[in-house]
Parts: sequence; structure tokens; C-alpha cells
Amino acid sequence: RKEVEQDPGPFNVPEGATVAFNCTYSNSASQSFFWYRQDCRKEPKLLMSVYSSGNEDGRFTAQLNRASQYISLLIRDSKLSDSATYLCVVSAIQGAQKLVFGQGTRLTINP
Amino acid sequence: EAGVAQSPRYKIIEKRQSVAFWCNPISGHATLYWYQQILGQGPKLLIQFQNNGVVDDSQLPKDRFSAERLKGVDSTLKIQPAKLEDSAVYLCASSLETGTISRDQYFGPGTRLLVL
Repeated sequence: RKEVEQDPGPFNVPEGATVAFNCTYSNSASQSFFWYRQDCRKEPKLLMSVYSSGNEDGRFTAQLNRASQYISLLIRDSKLSDSATYLCVVSAIQGAQKLVFGQGTRLTINP
Repeated sequence: EAGVAQSPRYKIIEKRQSVAFWCNPISGHATLYWYQQILGQGPKLLIQFQNNGVVDDSQLPKDRFSAERLKGVDSTLKIQPAKLEDSAVYLCASSLETGTISRDQYFGPGTRLLVL
């Protein structure tokens, strides 16, 4: 079983739609959780951290369920510029932060 | 603030040849990471340095891959000899670690390697 599992998609949704991504992780000792965004042929960039209480950043909402070892990302009112691959990332502190990436979910927003 | 620098950006070699990649992290960042990202997959950690010491190299194929960070600043990753399955993007990242408190990782643009 992979440490971090995501639906690879691709997701094709119309502009303005709401889209949700899910992710599960296997290591119950994981301590930090993130969503990264990766544009085509570019490096990954941090989109947002994910907290147990859930957190929101503009049109983006992230949720964490530690009991189910499940993370989600919701994008509301999607824009063309949201087209990218979204990587679910989990870390455990082992001396220094070690990130484990999911394979990513590819999202295309259509006009 | 300057970001993580990597070179070269692209490299094409034949199998069994050697190749080296260079990374210069963000100034002051103690931790440096090398990742391998195969097409369609997420980045996979190859090796992690804290200053000039190795923290984790459990996923580094040590029979052909080596990495060093001699002065605790820039780093090189070498593949010798290369195989077809090494075709990937090699990403370098750095972060500012304070004890066990994690900090965000910042990625360089990557080196795209094609092995023929």
C-alpha cells in the first residue's frame, strides 16, 4: 500500500464549478499535512497547510480527519488558472521534516 | 530573496553514461533534499542533508547514485552508470529547520534527465 494515495484523475470541470480532491495516508504517526500545486513542467509549490480544525484560504478549503487518515481539498468557483496537478503531502518529523508525496491529481478547468 | 538554483535544466545522455546535477539552496537553509519525479508520479525523496550530514538516504539507489554536500551549502547528485529508468526530473529543495520544528520546503526548477 502506498504511504499517500490520491485519485490521479484527470478531473475536467467547467469554470465556476466546485471540485473536491481526496487523499488517504497510511502512517498514523504523520504530523503535518499539506497540499502542493504543480503546474505543467514546473516545480511543486506549497498551496496550503492542513490543520485538524480545517482551514480556508480564499476559494480553497482543506480538511483533515486524523481518525480516518484522510485529507481533502475543496476548490470553489474554480478559475482557468486553477488548472494544475494537486499533490497531497504528509510528513513525519524524523530529525528533520520528511515529506511523502502522493502521485498527484490532475485538474483541468474548461472555459 | 533568491530561490533554489539548479543546473543544468536539461540533460540527455545514453545509458551507462555518467551525469551530475548541481543545487544551490536558499541562503541560510540548513536542510537540503533531492527528489526524483518520474512522469505521472509525485516526487520521491532520494536523500536529505542537514547541513553537511546525511539525515535520510534510505531510498537512494546507492549502487549507482551518490550525493554530497561537503561545505553544508551547495550539493551535487551523481548517477553512474545511468539506466533508462533514471529518466525523470530531479528536484532539489531546501528548508530552514529549527530543531524539530518543520518549515516549508522550497523547490528549485529541477533538472529534466532523459536517458536513451
